[in-house]
Amino acid sequence: TQLLEQSPQFLSIQEGENLTVYCNSSSVFSSLQWYRQEPGEGPVLLVTVVTGGEVKKLKRLTFQFGDARKDSSLHITAAQPGDTGLYLCAGAHGSSNTGKLIFGQGTTLQVKP
Amino acid sequence: GAVVSQHPSRVICKSGTSVKIECRSLDFQATTMFWYRQFPKQSLMLMATSNEGSKATYEQGVEKDKFLINHASLTLSTLTVTSAHPEDSSFYICSARDRSGQGSYEQFFGPGTRLTVL
Repeated sequence: TQLLEQSPQFLSIQEGENLTVYCNSSSVFSSLQWYRQEPGEGPVLLVTVVTGGEVKKLKRLTFQFGDARKDSSLHITAAQPGDTGLYLCAGAHGSSNTGKLIFGQGTTLQVKP
Repeated sequence: GAVVSQHPSRVICKSGTSVKIECRSLDFQATTMFWYRQFPKQSLMLMATSNEGSKATYEQGVEKDKFLINHASLTLSTLTVTSAHPEDSSFYICSARDRSGQGSYEQFFGPGTRLTVL
């Protein structure tokens, strides 16, 4: 069974704090995507990482793909209330031609003003 | 670019009726579309993979006769929930994979459809 373990599942922090969300698997992924979803809306793609060890930055968000391409992390610096939402990681296997993604369980982030 | 629309955004129906949800890629062609179901504060659960011009591939445990999928063109896939029951109430989300993105696994999601079966 292909699993993508995402942690923590729930996180409530104060504005200005830093946080890290992790996605781990025993499987190797050809690429990994991070999405953010707000209630009642569809997920919005934040970033795609494809190279082991890759680091991408999107303003206050830093994404890292593990060297072995089995894990990834999302770090948010100085979180703001607007960062509140459900964060999802999703991995793709290169051996699959269907384009199916394996989703993590999601991390519900609440940033209090 | 990469915009996916869904219609309707909300639907309320009586038990036993059928409901059709449309998913459209507005500015790109999608050979593959995916249908997900999501429960409150949970992740997405893949229901089926919809390929243009061929039969959909359903995930284990998803009834293909209950959730009919048609992918008639490169920009449109439909999901029909047949004989809906209250337990079918959920948030249904579609996504599309850009045809030009060979080797790319990025999926672009629609805004979702909230189905409530009374």
